[in-house]
Amino acid sequence: DAEITQSPRHKITETGRQVTLACHQTWNHNNMFWYRQDLGHGLRLIHYSYGVHDTNKGEVSDGYSVSRSNTEDLPLTLESAASSQTSVYFCASNRDRMGTEAFFGQGTRLTVV
Amino acid sequence: AQTVTQSQPEMSVQEAETVTLSCTYDTSESDYYLFWYKQPPSRQMILVIRQEAYKQQNATENRFSVNFQKAAKSFSLKISDSQLGDAAMYFCAYRSRYSGGGADGLTFGKGTHLIIQP
Repeated sequence: DAEITQSPRHKITETGRQVTLACHQTWNHNNMFWYRQDLGHGLRLIHYSYGVHDTNKGEVSDGYSVSRSNTEDLPLTLESAASSQTSVYFCASNRDRMGTEAFFGQGTRLTVV
Repeated sequence: AQTVTQSQPEMSVQEAETVTLSCTYDTSESDYYLFWYKQPPSRQMILVIRQEAYKQQNATENRFSVNFQKAAKSFSLKISDSQLGDAAMYFCAYRSRYSGGGADGLTFGKGTHLIIQP
């Protein structure tokens, strides 16, 4: 069955370190998204991509970057981790730019100490 | 920019009863999509129901139905015959039909924590 997987599920890192969260989908979807979930804020869009070599900034993109070298993967990099980036991160994908269902990964809980 | 508001941080309902979760949104667009997602303690985001703004008919999926009031920009979720497995966070989300200009991805409300009393 097609799926979308994130790794790691949990990570603790130190302030100032570079961290990369992986997202891999086998749906062959063109669109991929990264969100962060914080108490009191719901989910907020960080970055998204509509295809290989395409990346776009979302609502809360400062301090994050993504790259899309193939259809299946959209890694999220925190250039210099900060305590404010402690959060749960979700990757999602969908088929097209219309209202089709977005499929979510299981989430990565990142703690920056 | 679009905003989504869920005014009920927490709701509680007796098992087998009916509960309605509220959602309002603000947009200047005429064509868009609305969604309700469920997030159980496992953290997985699960689509419950979706509604296209151009459709007047309210979407229904088994025990879940919506009351979509486009003029009032309201999109409430009704859960009938509540079951213990319905206990979760519920998120209302908006997606523009038009891509580009930052109007992409989903805009979420802050969520409603639904408690089912046995």
